[in-house]
Amino acid sequence: DAKTTQPTSMDCAEGRAANLPCNHSTISGNEYVYWYRQIHSQGPQYIIHGLKNNETNEMASLIITEDRKSSTLILPHATLRDTAVYYCIVRRIGGSQGNLIFGKGTKLSVKP
Amino acid sequence: NAGVTQTPKFQVLKTGQSMTLQCAQDMNHEYMSWYRQDPGMGLRLIHYSVGAGITDQGEVPNGYNVSRSTTEDFPLRLLSAAPSQTSVYFCASSRDPNSPLHFGNGTRLTVT
Repeated sequence: DAKTTQPTSMDCAEGRAANLPCNHSTISGNEYVYWYRQIHSQGPQYIIHGLKNNETNEMASLIITEDRKSSTLILPHATLRDTAVYYCIVRRIGGSQGNLIFGKGTKLSVKP
Repeated sequence: NAGVTQTPKFQVLKTGQSMTLQCAQDMNHEYMSWYRQDPGMGLRLIHYSVGAGITDQGEVPNGYNVSRSTTEDFPLRLLSAAPSQTSVYFCASSRDPNSPLHFGNGTRLTVT
């Protein structure tokens, strides 16, 4: 699975959009981009995933560049409860192991 | 709908003791897996199962056993606990190896 690069930490004001970048320049054509987050002391929580088109769900939007070498997770109106570590993961389609390779992620702090 | 339930939440063992970490899911998911999370290391896959009666090793399987006699349950056994197994253990499940994983809230294990 390809590696990802994320900033170590970011701050965001409550109510503003949080834009979390991820670089995955070695991604292959058969790999999805997944985003998870982990709130302190809890298990990782699935947010969203995509292959090459932009995706949106009730939690967030995922913008993937046309060359698929980077992506941005957007939390449109961040709240204090969005403070967490956010993981960007690339995952091969069709694998049997189902493994998610977690890096160090971005620690997002939402401030009042 | 409980999702993925892990018990116990906390456990302290002495070196050489054995124990079983329990994991149950009520989503009729075929795929289940165990991860451990250590500071600075991210989550690492221990064992996984693609269905009842089928298990396989992940990245760090040594010192752990698993079995999958039912779709719902996937216990993780530590045969002879070692201090290096002090960690937070997460169980996860999904419909299949390529679907988003749902994680439990973890078991925090300390081996003294």
